[in-house]
Amino acid sequence: QKEVEQNSGPLSVPEGAIASLNCTYSDRGSQSFFWYRQYSGKSPELIMSIYSNGDKEDGRFTAQLNKASQYVSLLIRDSQPSDSATYLCAVIGSSASKIIFGSGTRLSIRP
Amino acid sequence: GAGVSQSPSNKVTEKGKDVELRCDPISGHTALYWYRQSLGQGLEFLIYFQGNSAPDKSGLPSDRFSAERTGGSVSTLTIQRTQQEDSAVYLCASSPGLGPDTQYFGPGTRLTVL
Repeated sequence: QKEVEQNSGPLSVPEGAIASLNCTYSDRGSQSFFWYRQYSGKSPELIMSIYSNGDKEDGRFTAQLNKASQYVSLLIRDSQPSDSATYLCAVIGSSASKIIFGSGTRLSIRP
Repeated sequence: GAGVSQSPSNKVTEKGKDVELRCDPISGHTALYWYRQSLGQGLEFLIYFQGNSAPDKSGLPSDRFSAERTGGSVSTLTIQRTQQEDSAVYLCASSPGLGPDTQYFGPGTRLTVL
C-alpha cells in the first residue's frame, strides 16, 4: 500500500461546477496535510494546508480532513479553465521526518 | 523576496558522465529537499537537509547519487556515471520550519541523459 494514494485521473469537470479531489493516507498518526497545484512543465505550488479535522476554506478552495477515515480532499468551487492542472496531496507522517507526496490527480476543466 | 533558484535549468549529458545540480534555497530557510519527477509521475523524495543535522538520505536511489549542503545554505546534488533512467526533472524545495513544513519549490533542472 502506498503511503499517500490519489486517483491519477484525468478528472474532467465542466466549467463552473465543483471539482472534488481525494487522497487517502496510510499513517494513522499523520498530523499535517497539504494540497499543491502543478501546472504542466512548472513546479508545484502550495494551495492549501490543513491540520485538524473538518473543513478549511480559502476563496474557491475547501480542504476537508477526516483523520478517522484517513482521508483528505480538496473541493474547487466554480471551476475555471485555469484550474486545469495536476493536484498533489502531501502528508507529514507521525515520524515528522519528511513530507510524502501522492502521485497526483490530473484535473481538466472543460469550457 | 527571492524564491528558490536552481541551476542549470536544463542539462543534457552523455551516459556515463557526472553531473552537478545546484539549489539556492530561500534565505533563512533551515530545511532543504531534493525530489525527482519523471515525466507524468509524482514527486520522488531523494534527500532532506535540516539545519546542521545529518541529512536523511533514505530516498537516494543508488550510491551514484550524493548531495551536500554547504554552510546551511546552497546545496549540490551530484549524479555520478549517469544512466538514461536518471533523465527527469530534479526539484529542490526549502521550508522555514524546524521540521517538514510548507515547501517552496524551485523551477527545477531538467536532466536528459543521452
